[in-house]
Amino acid sequence: NAGVTQTPKFQVLKTGQSMTLQCAQDMNHEYMSWYRQDPGMGLRLIHYSVGAGITDQGEVPNGYNVSRSTTEDFPLRLLSAAPSQTSVYFCASSPRQGHEQYFGPGTRLTVT
Amino acid sequence: GENVEQHPSTLSVQEGDSAVIKCTYSDSASNYFPWYKQELGKRPQLIIDIRSNVGEKKDQRIAVTLNKTAKHFSLHITETQPEDSAVYFCAASMGGGSQGNLIFGKGTKLSVKP
Repeated sequence: NAGVTQTPKFQVLKTGQSMTLQCAQDMNHEYMSWYRQDPGMGLRLIHYSVGAGITDQGEVPNGYNVSRSTTEDFPLRLLSAAPSQTSVYFCASSPRQGHEQYFGPGTRLTVT
Repeated sequence: GENVEQHPSTLSVQEGDSAVIKCTYSDSASNYFPWYKQELGKRPQLIIDIRSNVGEKKDQRIAVTLNKTAKHFSLHITETQPEDSAVYFCAASMGGGSQGNLIFGKGTKLSVKP
């Protein structure tokens, strides 16, 4: 089991560029989520999915899109990158909502 | 929605001492309370969790207590070691539905001095 994987590990973008952060899990988990981590702010939920074809917004969804076409994959799209989106992004999965979440290794994104 | 407050934001202890981190939550419907440890540059990892039908849970040097009436829960680490140095996050969840997402505290940076 690879668990939760994320690519890339590091990324630098210019303001206005778009990109997709990839997330995949091989544990057949129904629930997947994306968090951003900023110094002193903890982990804030961006978007989540309770199963294939179902997504919903978290605490800080503006500027991000997600889709869940398969159980395994949950990509996060930045539509038009802004310096305020400089952060570390973590994907996580769980057998179902409200249970232990398994985190990916993270993607460190810098927007200049 | 749920709000989780975590204190202190930083904690420094001598090796062998105990460390206590406290969290309060706002919604009495929350029923799942995990604690995550994040070492520098690494991903958060679950170290212990508790559900609302239990008042205390222990795992070797780590324990979590829950006071549902006061809506707070605490992480206790005994006989601290340098490898316990990390950032610790508490979280709360209502277990399912639109309120089932984990809401995290802002973290406590624990430093254990040899």
